[in-house]
Amino acid sequence: GEDVEQSLFLSVREGDSSVINCTYTDSSSTYLYWYKQEPGAGLQLLTYIFSNMDMKQDQRLTVLLNKKDKHLSLRIADTQTGDSAIYFCAETQAGTALIFGKGTTLSVSS
Amino acid sequence: DTAVSQTPKYLVTQMGNDKSIKCEQNLGHDTMYWYKQDSKKFLKIMFSYNNKELIINETVPNRFSPKSPDKAHLNLHINSLELGDSAVYFCASSQLRASGRYEQYFGPGTRLTVT
Repeated sequence: GEDVEQSLFLSVREGDSSVINCTYTDSSSTYLYWYKQEPGAGLQLLTYIFSNMDMKQDQRLTVLLNKKDKHLSLRIADTQTGDSAIYFCAETQAGTALIFGKGTTLSVSS
Repeated sequence: DTAVSQTPKYLVTQMGNDKSIKCEQNLGHDTMYWYKQDSKKFLKIMFSYNNKELIINETVPNRFSPKSPDKAHLNLHINSLELGDSAVYFCASSQLRASGRYEQYFGPGTRLTVT
């Protein structure tokens, strides 16, 4: 089967940058996604990147894609306490359902 | 206003019971999904429905049966509940865009506790 790997925890101080890494396995994935889950809530789409792009920037978020190494990262600039959440990377399976990584819990201390 | 809604939000029941979770989306999407999130926060696809047809059925016990009365609804019925079924179940919907991208919208989740 296909596995998407992420480190499970990341702890940063407020104002620092956070970098969350992900390794995916399906090289045919056309789009790759980052979702955010706050405590007790559902998943919210943060951003996505098309597979022929290397980088996508959206305000404080920067997504980097290394297709050769199947490596995806999410950088959050000027991390705030409100960014504390679980972040999931995801790729599509057969173009429909998402295969999620195990999620990275980001903890931001003030 | 809610795009994807689920009921109930919390469900506590005993082993052996049968229960249902309902999901509705008002986005006009063609495809709906059920995901299971376990206690370690791992999320896995269970089912996917496209225009009322099942297109994915992962290795889920046949005690779980999705039912889609129309393309705006996808309900999940669970027979003979077991302790291991305790989890948060998320419904989602998506639409294929011309770019080939699916953007999935998730419901708030149903926390099922089996005692």
